[in-house]
Amino acid sequence: AQTVTQSQPEMSVQEAETVTLSCTYDTSESDYYLFWYKQPPSRQMILVIRQEAYKQQNATENRFSVNFQKAAKSFSLKISDSQLGDAAMYFCAYRSEPNAGGTSYGKLTFGQGTILTVHP
Amino acid sequence: NAGVTQTPKFRILKIGQSMTLQCTQDMNHNYMYWYRQDPGMGLKLIYYSVGAGITDKGEVPNGYNVSRSTTEDFPLRLELAAPSQTSVYFCATGQNFGEQYFGPGTRLTVT
Repeated sequence: AQTVTQSQPEMSVQEAETVTLSCTYDTSESDYYLFWYKQPPSRQMILVIRQEAYKQQNATENRFSVNFQKAAKSFSLKISDSQLGDAAMYFCAYRSEPNAGGTSYGKLTFGQGTILTVHP
Repeated sequence: NAGVTQTPKFRILKIGQSMTLQCTQDMNHNYMYWYRQDPGMGLKLIYYSVGAGITDKGEVPNGYNVSRSTTEDFPLRLELAAPSQTSVYFCATGQNFGEQYFGPGTRLTVT
């Protein structure tokens, strides 16, 4: 079974600065997806960024980018020019390929989350 | 399009009561999922469905049941509610590839 570990329960950053959230995972699969989700106080789960394991290029979405190290099984999220609206709980999540022949059926395995505080 | 809708938003149950959490999607996705999120934790899979008429257990299915009679609806039934089922429940949908889309969640308290 896959596991996802976020070793930073809490992080803080000054507005306009850069912060990196860490995530490691354990899997024996070669094809999979990785995601970062944001959960603000409203509880809504919002997709921030996704990475396909077969792609070597790191994904970017505006101020959000990842550092994907497949061999090290590491998937960190970098937030540049942090804004007050970035304050939230951030979850790293793993998803198997649904057609991989296993029983995952595309379910997400989540890490424990990192609470990000942004100081003005 | 509304995406994924869940009702109710909040509910308080007494121990031993039953209820159904509703989930409806208008995205025409085959896959649907129910997760629970305990305080300060990530989400854990309760049940999932890969299409109408097909459901299966996730990591934490005890105390719950599901049905999937249509593509759009995936209700979660709680029988004999227990305090351990106090949690926030999320419904999600997805296709074969890519991300999942989440509903707004239902906060359930069992006292």
